Amino acid sequence: QSVLTQPPSVSGAPGQRVTISCTGSSSNIGAAYDVHWYQQLPGTAPKLLIYGNNNRPSGVPDRFSGSKSDTSASLAITGLQAEDEADYYCQSYDTSLRGVFGTGTKVTVL
Amino acid sequence: EVRLVQSGAEVKEPGESLKISCKVSGYSFTNYWIGWVRQMPGRGLEWMGIIYPGDSRTRYGPSFQGQVTISADKSITTAYLQWSSLKASDTAMYYCARETSSGARDYWGQGTLVTVSS
Repeated sequence: QSVLTQPPSVSGAPGQRVTISCTGSSSNIGAAYDVHWYQQLPGTAPKLLIYGNNNRPSGVPDRFSGSKSDTSASLAITGLQAEDEADYYCQSYDTSLRGVFGTGTKVTVL
Repeated sequence: EVRLVQSGAEVKEPGESLKISCKVSGYSFTNYWIGWVRQMPGRGLEWMGIIYPGDSRTRYGPSFQGQVTISADKSITTAYLQWSSLKASDTAMYYCARETSSGARDYWGQGTLVTVSS
């Protein structure tokens, strides 16, 4: 089964830049499938943050950006704010046409 | 306005059956895949499976194949997730979500909490 690995946690002070990595393999991200990112605030449903590797849905601040290279992807948050404290998940597909979520990263604003 | 409204919380005993629902409105139900996601207490998101309501094609994640059934009723624009025999390990929050052609899930239901306990 495909696995997308993320760091369990990242932290930063308000205003700083943090990045979250999402490491896959040749059977998922490396097979040219798009990567998407979700933000999950405590007690709420996930929210789409980035789609198609680097596109923001309407209403998502441009502080959030995504990138993809080879078998991995990254989410960057610039100008970190207290309201960004949440869990973040990457998601892609694999060659069996099944989706896979990343292991999740908790972002803490110091 | 796109809306996915899920059925309410359930408390069941091991061995019981259950069917939870996801009522869709605001877009053409038959033109988008609908997926289900499990989140066990304190854990991450898991891709359970998807259905294309237009023709009822389904795909299941490896951990969920044979464990659950995903279905849809076009006449009432509702997707379903069902179990024939619940286990305590099925205790979790379950989300439905619309899936775009790129595989992104752009609209989500509010979640249905399923508790299985004797």
